[in-house]
Amino acid sequence: DVKVTQSSRYLVKRTGEKVFLECVQDMDHENMFWYRQDPGLGLRLIYFSYDVKMKEKGDIPEGYSVSREKKERFSLILESASTNQTSMYLCASRSGTGFQAQHFGDGTRLSIL
Amino acid sequence: SQKIEQNSEALNIQEGKTATLTCNYTNYSPAYLQWYRQDPGRGPVFLLLIRENEKEKRKERLKVTFDTTLKQSLFHITASQPADSATYLCALDEGFQKLVFGTGTRLLVSP
Repeated sequence: DVKVTQSSRYLVKRTGEKVFLECVQDMDHENMFWYRQDPGLGLRLIYFSYDVKMKEKGDIPEGYSVSREKKERFSLILESASTNQTSMYLCASRSGTGFQAQHFGDGTRLSIL
Repeated sequence: SQKIEQNSEALNIQEGKTATLTCNYTNYSPAYLQWYRQDPGRGPVFLLLIRENEKEKRKERLKVTFDTTLKQSLFHITASQPADSATYLCALDEGFQKLVFGTGTRLLVSP
């Protein structure tokens, strides 16, 4: 089974801090994704990556950046955390071939105080 | 971009009945559509994929239909059980390996 592991289940940070969320997948998937999930808004794509060192903006990239130095690891960075970035963050990976499922981690619930 | 509508109100049904959830989309018909299950505090888990040229797909007690004329997919759980209680998300292919997700419908199955 595919395993997508997010480094923290819960995280509390202060406004203005630089925050790193880490995600690791064990299935050699080409594609990796970062979403945030908020009540009534569903899953919204922040950034995705289709290869090492490659990244593409999703629907809501403002205030975020990403890093993919190794195929199995995809990091989301909040450059200067703000209270409106309090949310559930979900990482997913997916094979690059054909019509495939996305495999999700269990999420990081991030609170910015 | 694609817009997806799922009923935001929870669906309450009795154990043993068939649950039917609806996913409507507004723009182009995608190459495929997927359904996911999400439990509280967990990430979504993939259930089924149906392609645009398939009318119906089944997996155990689950059945998905895909009507590109109506721009709609229906997700059925037959002989529902309390363990089926969860939020169910519809997701559409947006090209370039991306998916766009609906906001999900919460299903509550009472004993």
